[in-house]
Amino acid sequence: QVQLVQSGSELKPPGASVKVSCKASGYTFTGYAMNWVRQAPGQGLEWMGWINTKTGSPMYAQGFTGRFVFSLDTSVSTAYLQINGLKAEDTAVYYCARTLQSGPDYWGQGTLVTVSS
Amino acid sequence: QSALTQPASLSGSPGQSITISCTGTSSDVGGYKFVSWYQHHPGKAPKLMIYDVSNRPSGVSNRFSGSKSGNTASLTISGLQAEDEADYYCSSYTTSSTRVFGGGTKVTVL
Repeated sequence: QVQLVQSGSELKPPGASVKVSCKASGYTFTGYAMNWVRQAPGQGLEWMGWINTKTGSPMYAQGFTGRFVFSLDTSVSTAYLQINGLKAEDTAVYYCARTLQSGPDYWGQGTLVTVSS
Repeated sequence: QSALTQPASLSGSPGQSITISCTGTSSDVGGYKFVSWYQHHPGKAPKLMIYDVSNRPSGVSNRFSGSKSGNTASLTISGLQAEDEADYYCSSYTTSSTRVFGGGTKVTVL
């Protein structure tokens, strides 16, 4: 069965970096793009962008350029989200989600990133 | 890309039907069949309920149905049950080859 398993919660000070992993299983990893979605406390889902798992080419939504980096390790069917220069407003749950043009279908369980000194 | 517009909250009694609207523009909802709906219980992964406007993935109850007219998509939940209480989000593909989500609708079963 399709599974996306994300890394555990992170607590980081402002200015630090964090790297969230999303390990896929149960399907051909390069057959689907990977979306990243953010949910800030008390807020809705926000699309951050996606990465083409065949080419590694990322696309970032407005507001997620510069400090946010999507990457892959196809040898272990894993996608990564790195956030550099963390700010308090980056505190959120981050989800990976497998996707075709129809939209995300399977989602990871979410990773809580807390930015606090 | 602005978020799609959904009502913040809706409620209904068990057995009733409710319809959640999702309004966008011709650049997203109105321009593509790639509208999907998600059920999200707090602390859990969102669950795909409808894709391509009106298709149900295997395993999703037929009490959930989707439709679209112009720039507005809708999700109808028939025979409301306690377990349907959750947040619901619509999402659409856009002309920029990006995706956009709605602001979310909190459904309460009275």
